[in-house]
Amino acid sequence: EAQVTQNPRYLITVTGKKLTVTCSQNMNHEYMSWYRQDPGLGLRQIYYSMNVEVTDKGDVPEGYKVSRKEKRNFPLILESPSPNQTSLYFCASSPPIRGGGEPYEQYFGPGTRLTVT
Amino acid sequence: DAKTTQPPSMDCAEGRAANLPCNHSTISGNEYVYWYRQIHSQGPQYIIHGLKNNETNEMASLIITEDRKSSTLILPHATLRDTAVYYCIVRVRGVRGNNDMRFGAGTRLTVKP
Repeated sequence: EAQVTQNPRYLITVTGKKLTVTCSQNMNHEYMSWYRQDPGLGLRQIYYSMNVEVTDKGDVPEGYKVSRKEKRNFPLILESPSPNQTSLYFCASSPPIRGGGEPYEQYFGPGTRLTVT
Repeated sequence: DAKTTQPPSMDCAEGRAANLPCNHSTISGNEYVYWYRQIHSQGPQYIIHGLKNNETNEMASLIITEDRKSSTLILPHATLRDTAVYYCIVRVRGVRGNNDMRFGAGTRLTVKP
């Protein structure tokens, strides 16, 4: 089954304790990205990656790191989490673009609810 | 990308058609209209997209006005499981780069028995 998986689904941690949220897709997609969703602010992009070893900042990258060492995985790293990073996180993937320039739809993971105390 | 405007909430009776409007009056010729939905904090789910012709798939129909300034997503026979937030998004064509989907506030559709 084609899917995007995230782990863990729920995480409660303390300020300053490094954590990694994993994201994996089995569709051989080149493009992957991370979003956070907060009440009243909608989904905001954190980082994205157009291919292996190619990553770039989205709208809210501060406090986050990513890596893309292989095509299927795109982990989100919080080196020193703070309470303002308490949020619902989504990973997404898609092919880059269709012939003719039509953007592909994105496939989203189930979400990771992170609480930082 | 063009900005979209959607009503914040709508109700629909189970079994009836749900018609969700979206205004994108500043859309340009190379921009597509996409619809996603999000069921109670799950990951957003792609529904349908179109450029200027009406589109239909197994989930829904998309009607785009001739001037492309607005569109309507139609769920032909809404069920309780269609209760969700529906997002209308406009995406530019031909830009190889960040495939960021700009999700606004969307429309919260409640399907009632």
